[in-house]
Amino acid sequence: QVQLQESGPGLVKPSETLSLTCAVSGGSISGYYWSWIRQPPGKGLEWIGSIYYSGSTEYNPSLKSRLSISVATSKNQFSLRLSSVTAADTAIYYCARVYRAADTNPGYFQDWGQGTLVTVSS
Amino acid sequence: SYELTQPPSVSVSLGQMARITCSGEALPKKYAYWYQQKPGQFPVVVIYKDTERPSGIPERFSGSGSGTMVTLTISGVQAEDEADYYCLSADSSGTYVFGGGTKLTVL
Repeated sequence: QVQLQESGPGLVKPSETLSLTCAVSGGSISGYYWSWIRQPPGKGLEWIGSIYYSGSTEYNPSLKSRLSISVATSKNQFSLRLSSVTAADTAIYYCARVYRAADTNPGYFQDWGQGTLVTVSS
Repeated sequence: SYELTQPPSVSVSLGQMARITCSGEALPKKYAYWYQQKPGQFPVVVIYKDTERPSGIPERFSGSGSGTMVTLTISGVQAEDEADYYCLSADSSGTYVFGGGTKLTVL
C-alpha cells in the first residue's frame, strides 16, 4: 500500500511562495499521475493540479498563473509551489495518487496523504 | 466554470435510506466518484466510476446515474456513516471538479 506524506512550512507570509513536498513510500512514483488538492478550514475540496511521473502537468485554470508542480523521480517525491499567496490560500493541502486507466475518464484520487495545514498570515 | 451541485445537508434516521445527489452538465460523458470525509481525516472513495464499490466499502453504499445527475445511496444508514460526502468529476477539458459537499446527519 503506497503511503504519501506532505511536508513544508505551516506558516507563509502574504505575497510569498508556498512550497510543499510529497514523499511517496511503499511504491514507485513511476507510472502514475500525482495530484495536489486543498481544503480551506471548514470548506470543500479543490483540485490544484496534477503531474505525471515524466513531468507533464495539468493545472487548475484558476491557479495556473501562480502554480508550479514538479517531480523528482530519483527521490520518489513531487512538489508544489504556489506564488503570491493571500489569506485565501490558507488550507489543508493534500497530495494524492491518481488512478487512471483507458476505461476510467476521468481518473480519481485513490490514495491520499494525511494533509498539512498551511496558514497564510503576517 | 464547470460546477457540480450537491445539497448542503441531508438528514436521515438511523437504519433508514439516505440519498445524496450531484448534478453537472458533463456527467453523461464523465464518470463520477464519491468520497466520504470524516472530521480530521482525508477523503476516502466509497464509489468509483458512477456505480462501482471499492473493496472494503460496505455493501450499503451504492451509486447510480441518470443523465446529468448521479446519486449516492446509503441503505440502512449507520451512525458511523455521519460524514461529509463529495462528488468528483471533470469538465470537458479534463479539469477536476469537486461538488460543494453534503453533510450527512444521522438522527
